[in-house]
Amino acid sequence: SSELTQDPAVSVALGQTVRITCRGDSLRDYYASWYQQKPGQAPVVVIFGENNRPSGIPDRFSGSTSGNTASLTITGAQAEDEADYYCYSRDTSGNIRVFGGGTKLAVL
Amino acid sequence: QLVESGGDMVQPGRSLRLSCAASGFTFRNYAIHWVRQAPGQGLEWVALISDDGIGKYYADSVKGRFTISRDNSKNTLYLQMNSLRPEDAAIYYCARETFTIFRGVDVNWFDPWGQGTLVTVCS
Repeated sequence: SSELTQDPAVSVALGQTVRITCRGDSLRDYYASWYQQKPGQAPVVVIFGENNRPSGIPDRFSGSTSGNTASLTITGAQAEDEADYYCYSRDTSGNIRVFGGGTKLAVL
Repeated sequence: QLVESGGDMVQPGRSLRLSCAASGFTFRNYAIHWVRQAPGQGLEWVALISDDGIGKYYADSVKGRFTISRDNSKNTLYLQMNSLRPEDAAIYYCARETFTIFRGVDVNWFDPWGQGTLVTVCS
């Protein structure tokens, strides 16, 4: 399978916790990475592997995986976290790569 | 740093070559990808080339029409796009793949990305 499925849109109240999920058969074999994209900007990695944050990414961002589902959790969402979030991984063949359809996060 | 160039407005059926110039890291040690984003749409993975240029993989949507290549002596990645279609119109990003193994499982992520170059396909 070459599909990763994300909810199109999610909202969270300022300061609250939100989980963005990504489902796909390949996630049983490969880790996902997560990208934040703000309007007019290139994507930026926020989580990779089991739960790794690049330098400069706030520790309110965390990741996890269970079965065929990868999750990105933002604990204490801030206004600046409003963005599109994409998961990425390999497909089940291991060679082809795939992005999820993206989740638009609104911080209310 | 990655800097794309070559984006333009072309007619359907024509060709275009994109370039991605790398600096600030040892280019020949990394696989590099092309990723595109149509206007108002999500990210779509396009193609991958291994660090030595031998391994090449493509999305089904571009296989047979696009060719990825690299010149490690020039620190530059290319994407030759032939038989362009209106649905190929997008911002094209190049992105460096960083790779490690954790608990016996591959971990891949993109960092950095270029700023993108715009390809428009219309008659």
